[in-house]
Amino acid sequence: AQKVTQAQTEISVVEKEDVTLDCVYETRDTTYYLFWYKQPPSGELVFLIRRNSFDEQNEISGRYSWNFQKSTSSFNFTITASQVVDSAVYFCALSEAGAGNNRKLIWGLGTSLAVNP
Amino acid sequence: GAVVSQHPSRVICKSGTSVKIECRSLDFQATTMFWYRQFPKQSLMLMATSNEGSKATYEQGVEKDKFLINHASLTLSTLTVTSAHPEDSSFYICSARDTRTYGYTFGSGTRLTVV
Repeated sequence: AQKVTQAQTEISVVEKEDVTLDCVYETRDTTYYLFWYKQPPSGELVFLIRRNSFDEQNEISGRYSWNFQKSTSSFNFTITASQVVDSAVYFCALSEAGAGNNRKLIWGLGTSLAVNP
Repeated sequence: GAVVSQHPSRVICKSGTSVKIECRSLDFQATTMFWYRQFPKQSLMLMATSNEGSKATYEQGVEKDKFLINHASLTLSTLTVTSAHPEDSSFYICSARDTRTYGYTFGSGTRLTVV
Protein backbone atom coordinates (compact mmCIF):
# COMPACT_ATOMS: atom_id res chain seq x y z
CA ALA A 1 0.00 0.00 0.00
CA GLN A 2 1.07 3.54 -0.58
CA LYS A 3 1.66 5.83 2.34
CA VAL A 4 3.13 9.26 3.02
CA THR A 5 4.43 10.19 6.45
CA GLN A 6 5.12 13.70 7.60
CA ALA A 7 6.31 13.12 11.13
CA GLN A 8 6.48 16.79 12.04
CA THR A 9 3.03 18.03 12.93
CA GLU A 10 4.03 21.56 13.81
CA ILE A 11 7.24 23.53 13.48
CA SER A 12 7.89 26.98 14.81
CA VAL A 13 10.92 29.00 13.79
CA VAL A 14 12.11 32.55 13.96
CA GLU A 15 12.38 34.52 10.77
CA LYS A 16 15.60 33.97 8.79
CA GLU A 17 16.12 30.51 10.21
CA ASP A 18 16.43 27.59 7.82
CA VAL A 19 13.83 24.86 8.24
CA THR A 20 13.49 21.38 6.80
CA LEU A 21 10.18 19.59 6.44
CA ASP A 22 10.45 15.83 6.30
CA CYS A 23 8.53 13.49 4.05
CA VAL A 24 8.89 9.72 3.94
CA TYR A 25 6.90 7.62 1.54
CA GLU A 26 6.07 3.99 0.89
CA THR A 27 5.18 2.49 -2.44
CA ARG A 28 5.71 -0.72 -4.35
CA ASP A 29 5.58 1.08 -7.65
CA THR A 30 8.80 1.66 -9.50
CA THR A 31 7.37 4.68 -11.26
CA TYR A 32 5.66 7.38 -9.25
CA TYR A 33 5.48 11.10 -8.64
CA LEU A 34 6.07 13.05 -5.47
CA PHE A 35 4.59 16.45 -4.77
CA TRP A 36 4.78 19.27 -2.28
CA TYR A 37 1.91 21.70 -1.79
CA LYS A 38 1.57 24.77 0.38
CA GLN A 39 -1.75 25.65 1.98
CA PRO A 40 -1.83 29.15 3.45
CA PRO A 41 -4.63 30.23 5.81
CA SER A 42 -6.79 31.13 2.81
CA GLY A 43 -7.07 27.40 2.10
CA GLU A 44 -6.05 27.40 -1.54
CA LEU A 45 -3.46 24.76 -2.34
CA VAL A 46 -0.33 26.11 -3.96
CA PHE A 47 1.70 23.69 -6.06
CA LEU A 48 5.40 23.78 -5.21
CA ILE A 49 7.05 20.87 -6.96
CA ARG A 50 6.53 17.54 -8.69
CA ARG A 51 9.32 15.02 -8.88
CA ASN A 52 9.44 11.89 -11.03
CA SER A 53 10.78 8.78 -9.33
CA PHE A 54 13.50 8.46 -11.95
CA ASP A 55 14.84 11.92 -11.32
CA GLU A 56 16.85 12.02 -8.12
CA GLN A 57 18.46 15.34 -8.76
CA ASN A 58 17.95 17.83 -6.00
CA GLU A 59 16.15 20.98 -6.98
CA ILE A 60 16.47 24.55 -5.87
CA SER A 61 13.97 27.30 -6.51
CA GLY A 62 14.87 30.53 -4.82
CA ARG A 63 14.78 29.91 -1.07
CA TYR A 64 13.20 26.50 -1.56
CA SER A 65 15.09 23.29 -2.10
CA TRP A 66 14.17 19.65 -2.22
CA ASN A 67 16.23 16.57 -1.45
CA PHE A 68 14.98 13.34 -3.01
CA GLN A 69 16.61 10.17 -1.71
CA LYS A 70 15.18 6.95 -3.12
CA SER A 71 17.45 4.89 -0.88
CA THR A 72 15.64 6.21 2.19
CA SER A 73 12.29 6.89 0.45
CA SER A 74 12.43 10.50 1.49
CA PHE A 75 11.60 13.74 -0.23
CA ASN A 76 12.49 16.52 2.17
CA PHE A 77 11.80 20.19 1.69
CA THR A 78 14.03 22.97 2.99
CA ILE A 79 13.22 26.64 3.25
CA THR A 80 16.28 28.82 3.59
CA ALA A 81 16.10 32.13 5.42
CA SER A 82 12.44 31.63 6.29
CA GLN A 83 10.01 34.52 6.14
CA VAL A 84 6.69 35.18 7.86
CA VAL A 85 4.93 34.66 4.53
CA ASP A 86 6.16 31.07 4.57
CA SER A 87 3.79 30.35 7.45
CA ALA A 88 1.39 27.73 6.15
CA VAL A 89 0.61 24.04 6.18
CA TYR A 90 2.81 22.06 3.83
CA PHE A 91 1.66 18.75 2.38
CA CYS A 92 3.73 16.04 0.77
CA ALA A 93 1.88 13.72 -1.61
CA LEU A 94 2.52 10.67 -3.76
CA SER A 95 0.86 9.36 -6.88
CA GLU A 96 1.36 6.48 -9.22
CA ALA A 97 2.75 7.41 -12.57
CA GLY A 98 1.17 6.45 -15.84
CA ALA A 99 -1.35 7.83 -18.22
CA GLY A 100 -4.43 6.75 -16.31
CA ASN A 101 -6.52 9.69 -15.21
CA ASN A 102 -7.73 8.09 -12.01
CA ARG A 103 -4.36 8.13 -10.29
CA LYS A 104 -5.13 9.30 -6.79
CA LEU A 105 -2.88 11.45 -4.68
CA ILE A 106 -1.86 9.92 -1.36
CA TRP A 107 -1.46 12.70 1.16
CA GLY A 108 0.65 13.15 4.22
CA LEU A 109 -0.98 14.70 7.26
CA GLY A 110 0.80 17.97 6.69
CA THR A 111 3.27 20.04 8.63
CA SER A 112 2.11 23.35 10.03
CA LEU A 113 4.95 25.85 9.82
CA ALA A 114 4.87 29.03 11.85
CA VAL A 115 7.54 31.60 11.09
CA ASN A 116 7.66 34.21 13.80
CA PRO A 117 9.07 37.71 13.35
CA GLY B 1 -1.18 26.85 -16.92
CA ALA B 2 -4.17 24.70 -16.09
CA VAL B 3 -6.85 26.42 -14.03
CA VAL B 4 -9.79 24.99 -12.14
CA SER B 5 -12.42 27.50 -11.08
CA GLN B 6 -14.44 26.52 -8.01
CA HIS B 7 -17.59 28.29 -6.84
CA PRO B 8 -18.82 29.38 -4.44
CA SER B 9 -15.79 30.08 -2.26
CA ARG B 10 -17.92 30.37 0.82
CA VAL B 11 -21.50 29.40 1.55
CA ILE B 12 -23.69 29.39 4.62
CA CYS B 13 -26.88 27.39 4.45
CA LYS B 14 -29.63 26.28 6.75
CA SER B 15 -29.82 22.76 8.02
CA GLY B 16 -31.89 20.59 5.70
CA THR B 17 -31.17 22.49 2.52
CA SER B 18 -28.95 21.39 -0.35
CA VAL B 19 -25.85 23.12 -1.60
CA LYS B 20 -24.20 22.77 -4.99
CA ILE B 21 -20.50 23.34 -5.55
CA GLU B 22 -19.18 23.76 -9.08
CA CYS B 23 -15.75 23.15 -10.49
CA ARG B 24 -14.84 24.12 -14.01
CA SER B 25 -11.63 23.46 -15.86
CA LEU B 26 -10.95 26.62 -17.80
CA ASP B 27 -8.24 25.69 -20.26
CA PHE B 28 -8.09 21.94 -20.39
CA GLN B 29 -10.38 18.96 -20.48
CA ALA B 30 -10.87 17.40 -17.09
CA THR B 31 -11.87 13.84 -17.83
CA THR B 32 -11.37 13.05 -14.18
CA MET B 33 -12.20 15.22 -11.17
CA PHE B 34 -11.35 14.43 -7.58
CA TRP B 35 -13.45 15.76 -4.70
CA TYR B 36 -11.89 16.25 -1.29
CA ARG B 37 -13.09 17.24 2.12
CA GLN B 38 -10.84 18.85 4.68
CA PHE B 39 -11.58 19.35 8.35
CA PRO B 40 -9.72 22.04 10.32
CA LYS B 41 -6.08 21.17 10.96
CA GLN B 42 -6.38 17.91 9.05
CA SER B 43 -5.22 16.57 5.75
CA LEU B 44 -7.27 16.27 2.60
CA MET B 45 -9.64 13.34 2.54
CA LEU B 46 -10.62 12.01 -0.86
CA MET B 47 -14.38 11.66 -1.11
CA ALA B 48 -14.85 10.51 -4.67
CA THR B 49 -13.42 10.36 -8.14
CA SER B 50 -15.67 11.41 -10.97
CA ASN B 51 -15.20 10.60 -14.62
CA GLU B 52 -16.95 12.49 -17.37
CA GLY B 53 -20.08 10.73 -18.48
CA SER B 54 -20.05 7.98 -15.87
CA LYS B 55 -20.96 7.48 -12.24
CA ALA B 56 -18.56 8.67 -9.61
CA THR B 57 -16.51 6.25 -7.56
CA TYR B 58 -16.90 6.96 -3.87
CA GLU B 59 -14.37 6.21 -1.18
CA GLN B 60 -15.32 3.89 1.61
CA GLY B 61 -17.51 5.57 4.18
CA VAL B 62 -18.70 8.39 1.94
CA GLU B 63 -22.46 8.45 1.47
CA LYS B 64 -23.14 8.70 -2.25
CA ASP B 65 -26.77 9.71 -1.71
CA LYS B 66 -25.70 12.59 0.46
CA PHE B 67 -22.83 13.81 -1.70
CA LEU B 68 -24.11 13.77 -5.25
CA ILE B 69 -21.47 14.18 -7.90
CA ASN B 70 -22.22 14.98 -11.50
CA HIS B 71 -19.60 15.18 -14.21
CA ALA B 72 -21.67 15.72 -17.31
CA SER B 73 -19.07 17.49 -19.41
CA LEU B 74 -15.33 17.60 -19.86
CA THR B 75 -15.14 20.98 -18.18
CA LEU B 76 -17.70 20.86 -15.39
CA SER B 77 -18.14 18.72 -12.31
CA THR B 78 -20.52 19.45 -9.47
CA LEU B 79 -20.84 18.26 -5.89
CA THR B 80 -24.22 18.62 -4.23
CA VAL B 81 -24.46 18.24 -0.49
CA THR B 82 -28.04 17.15 0.04
CA SER B 83 -30.04 17.80 3.19
CA ALA B 84 -27.04 19.41 4.77
CA HIS B 85 -26.47 19.20 8.50
CA PRO B 86 -24.01 21.02 10.74
CA GLU B 87 -21.64 18.04 10.67
CA ASP B 88 -21.29 18.55 6.90
CA SER B 89 -19.64 21.90 7.57
CA SER B 90 -16.19 21.61 6.09
CA PHE B 91 -13.80 22.80 3.41
CA TYR B 92 -14.45 21.09 0.07
CA ILE B 93 -11.84 21.09 -2.67
CA CYS B 94 -11.94 19.78 -6.21
CA SER B 95 -8.97 18.73 -8.28
CA ALA B 96 -8.51 17.70 -11.87
CA ARG B 97 -5.66 15.77 -13.32
CA ASP B 98 -4.09 17.39 -16.32
CA THR B 99 -2.99 14.47 -18.45
CA ARG B 100 -0.85 16.77 -20.56
CA THR B 101 1.49 17.31 -17.65
CA TYR B 102 0.48 14.59 -15.14
CA GLY B 103 -0.09 17.40 -12.70
CA TYR B 104 -3.05 17.95 -10.43
CA THR B 105 -4.82 21.29 -10.55
CA PHE B 106 -6.89 22.34 -7.55
CA GLY B 107 -9.85 24.60 -7.18
CA SER B 108 -9.64 27.30 -4.55
CA GLY B 109 -11.99 25.46 -2.24
CA THR B 110 -15.47 26.02 -0.82
CA ARG B 111 -15.99 26.66 2.85
CA LEU B 112 -19.41 25.31 3.75
CA THR B 113 -21.09 26.26 7.00
CA VAL B 114 -24.41 24.66 7.87
CA VAL B 115 -26.36 26.44 10.57
